[in-house]
Amino acid sequence: DTGVSQDPRHKITKRGQNVTFRCDPISEHNRLYWYRQTLGQGPEFLTYFQNEAQLEKSRLLSDRFSAERPKGSFSTLEIQRTEQGDSAMYLCASRRTGRAGANVLTFGAGSRLTVL
Amino acid sequence: DAKTTQPTSMDCAEGRAANLPCNHSTISGNEYVYWYRQIHSQGPQYIIHGLKNNETNEMASLIITEDRKSSTLILPHATLRDTAVYYCIVRVDNNDMRFGAGTRLTVKP
Repeated sequence: DTGVSQDPRHKITKRGQNVTFRCDPISEHNRLYWYRQTLGQGPEFLTYFQNEAQLEKSRLLSDRFSAERPKGSFSTLEIQRTEQGDSAMYLCASRRTGRAGANVLTFGAGSRLTVL
Repeated sequence: DAKTTQPTSMDCAEGRAANLPCNHSTISGNEYVYWYRQIHSQGPQYIIHGLKNNETNEMASLIITEDRKSSTLILPHATLRDTAVYYCIVRVDNNDMRFGAGTRLTVKP
C-alpha cells in the first residue's frame, strides 16, 4: 500500500491556460474522489467515481472542470481556461466500497494550483 | 445530512488530553460520526468513526452522547505533532464527505 499519489504537487500557470492533475489511488480501492480546498476552508467535494463510472458530477464548479477515470485506476482532473479563482489545493481520495461506515477515505497530499 | 458545529480553535498543553467537541443535534439514526484531521500542507487523515458506541483506536477515543446529538474526540496525550485542523463529519456513508471549517487545535509546549 503506497497510499494515494497526486501529481504534480505544485502547478503555477497563467490565466487562460489548461491544467491537468493526476491521481493514483490505492490499488484495491474502487472509489475515487476529488475535492478542492481553498485557504482557511475545509475540503469541498467535487466529484467521484466508482471504477470508471463517474457517479456524481453536479458539484463540479463549472463546465471548465472535468474529470476522467478511463480504466478504473488513475484519474485526471482538468481545468480549462484557468481563472485566478481556481487557485486552490486539489485533493484526491480513495476508498473501497463495503459495509456502511466501515471504509474510510484515504487522501493524497494534494496538488496546489496557483493561477497568475 | 446532519450539520455539525465545532469551535473554531482550541489550545492544549503538550502531554495533556485534548478534548474536541462536536455538536450534531440533527443527526439521524443511520448517520455515522467521522473525525479527520489535516496537518498543514497535507491531505486530511482519518482518525476514527462511530455510530452509537464509544470507540477507541491507537490514535484517539470517540465519545458519543446517548442521544447522539454531540460527540467528543479525545487525544489522550497530545503532542506537538497533533497540532492540526480537526474535522467532525456526519454522514450515512462516506460518499460526498462534507467538511466544514473544523477546529484548529494548537498543542503548546
